[in-house]
Amino acid sequence: GEEVAQTPKHLVRGEGQKAKLYCAPIKGHSYVFWYQQVLKNEFKFLISFQNENVFDETGMPKERFSAKCLPNSPCSLEIQATKLEDSAVYFCASSHESAGGGGYTFGSGTRLTVV
Amino acid sequence: EDQVTQSPEALRLQEGESSSLNCSYTVSGLRGLFWYRQDPGKGPEFLFTLYSAGEEKEKERLKATLTKKESFLHITAPKPEDSATYLCAVQAYDMRFGAGTRLTVKP
Repeated sequence: GEEVAQTPKHLVRGEGQKAKLYCAPIKGHSYVFWYQQVLKNEFKFLISFQNENVFDETGMPKERFSAKCLPNSPCSLEIQATKLEDSAVYFCASSHESAGGGGYTFGSGTRLTVV
Repeated sequence: EDQVTQSPEALRLQEGESSSLNCSYTVSGLRGLFWYRQDPGKGPEFLFTLYSAGEEKEKERLKATLTKKESFLHITAPKPEDSATYLCAVQAYDMRFGAGTRLTVKP
């Protein structure tokens, strides 16, 4: 489709629980990006994929965060043992190219609240 | 370290009152500077990409310009529907976003 579809829109987890977020990129886009938006619009880059391969994971907290993009499945971002500071809106974006000359197309985000 | 700073943090304008938003950056090996618009509860929407100093891009009431150290987003005769947060992002190795300018246009 022509939209990046993120599910769920909202997710509430107790501290220590697992959270799994999904992203279906635009068909034909080879690159998928995950960002975390916390207070005051600060966007933090987490990880990117080129098809099913990790392209750049320099922003990923290694201990509790993992992500996958498998063929014929939505991409996923999983947080094991969530902490209060993981509360944020998680955005997925897709693009034809890594440099995003035409810009990235973002989904509407998943709001994760850890209580 | 790559940095992107946007100013002002918030801007309130009357309908028709033109103004500019600023994005200053320090980055090694700039591959592109991007402007996005973000409405509440939504993801950023791509507006422009600028690649080199002196480049300008226009779309309706918006014009983006780029120098070696900063970019401006000029808004001419804004309307209430232009109210949104405007984000600047620079791409070197990865894409780094500024904190945004929250624009409110009053009728």
